Amino acid sequence: GENVEQHPSTLSVQEGDSAVIKCTYSDSASNYFPWYKQELGKRPQLIIDIRSNVGEKKDQRIAVTLNKTAKHFSLHITETQPEDSAVYFCAASGGNQFYFGTGTSLTVIP
Amino acid sequence: KAGVTQTPRYLIKTRGQQVTLSCSPISGHRSVSWYQQTPGQGLQFLFEYFSETQRNKGNFPGRFSGRQFSNSRSEMNVSTLELGDSALYLCASSLTGFEETQYFGPGTRLLVL
Repeated sequence: GENVEQHPSTLSVQEGDSAVIKCTYSDSASNYFPWYKQELGKRPQLIIDIRSNVGEKKDQRIAVTLNKTAKHFSLHITETQPEDSAVYFCAASGGNQFYFGTGTSLTVIP
Repeated sequence: KAGVTQTPRYLIKTRGQQVTLSCSPISGHRSVSWYQQTPGQGLQFLFEYFSETQRNKGNFPGRFSGRQFSNSRSEMNVSTLELGDSALYLCASSLTGFEETQYFGPGTRLLVL
């Protein structure tokens, strides 16, 4: 089955700096890679996703890159703000199952 | 559109009991997935239902089961509860499956004593 590894598990950045979270996956059949943000006590919410036929996708301050050959994808948040503080989960899906990474707790220090 | 709803929001049970959790998807969504979230294991996929059929299943024991009704509402049942079943159970709905945006419900927090 699929195995999704996510690093780092915790990340602290100064407000205005960039944050990068990396994930690797094992199943070459995986073709859909979403990122979810979960604030404390709330439900996970999709913030951006990418499919295997695309190498990069950007939405305002958030971008995701995918390297299919190396089987890794990354989340980039620029100009971080305190409201970006949350746990971020990457995920991978090949259609039959949905695997989440272990999560990254991001703290943005004002 | 109304979001995904789950009932109940909180449950306390004792070992050996069984529990049923309910999930109402967004109107028009036919895929409902269930996940277990714990501090130690993170978010783990339980199963997915589509058009009243279990289409995909994660690596959980048979004590965990579910079903989906014709209106796409789904229930999850856990029999013979164990202490380790204490977790936040999340359901998510999407139009047709995993490769589309999944919208999560608020979760049911289950505590097994």
